[in-house]
Amino acid sequence: GDSVTQMEGPVTLSEEAFLTINCTYTATGYPSLFWYVQYPGEGLQLLLKATKADDKGSNKGFEATYRKETTSFHLEKGSVQVSDSAVYFCALSEVDSNSNSGYALNFGKGTSLLVTP
Amino acid sequence: ETGVTQTPRHLVMGMTNKKSLKCEQHLGHNAMYWYKQSAKKPLELMFVYNFKEQTENNSVPSRFSPECPNSSHLFLHLHTLQPEDSALYLCASSRGRLREKLFFGSGTQLSVL
Repeated sequence: GDSVTQMEGPVTLSEEAFLTINCTYTATGYPSLFWYVQYPGEGLQLLLKATKADDKGSNKGFEATYRKETTSFHLEKGSVQVSDSAVYFCALSEVDSNSNSGYALNFGKGTSLLVTP
Repeated sequence: ETGVTQTPRHLVMGMTNKKSLKCEQHLGHNAMYWYKQSAKKPLELMFVYNFKEQTENNSVPSRFSPECPNSSHLFLHLHTLQPEDSALYLCASSRGRLREKLFFGSGTQLSVL
């Protein structure tokens, strides 16, 4: 079935460092791809998304490009801040023909990021 | 504030107790979900409701019993839980079939003793 694989955390960076969190996916069709973020004590929030190959999603300085040839959707930020400390989830959405709800959303295990001053 | 409110934030219960988790959304959404978040595991979708009708039950044990009286409220009734059921239980909602844009509550951290 469809799935996403994220790099293991935790990732610890100093403030202003460059961030990359790797995400690869397996899917039978043409999924949409997402990054969700979970700040401490909160639920998940949609950070960015891309719906087709070569699309780049971006938000709050974060970017991710949908790479069909490498089945990847790596999250990047040029200069992280302490406030970016959170857990980041890669996710995939594809039409689920077995469910009359239409779309299935599969999450990865999450990557914890800690940014130190 | 995402517009999805869960209560309680924390719950400790014994294996013989009965308790309920509550979720309320103020977004006018038609679909609501229960997810289970355990350490080092992917988010697990438990139940999906669309227009108050349950559309998915992902092989969840019967000790978890959902209830959706209307499109704004969702409950998860718990009874005779096991210690391995300890986790963060997240409620989410979406406008409808487009499940990609989910709005999550802050979750209920459940500990089963």
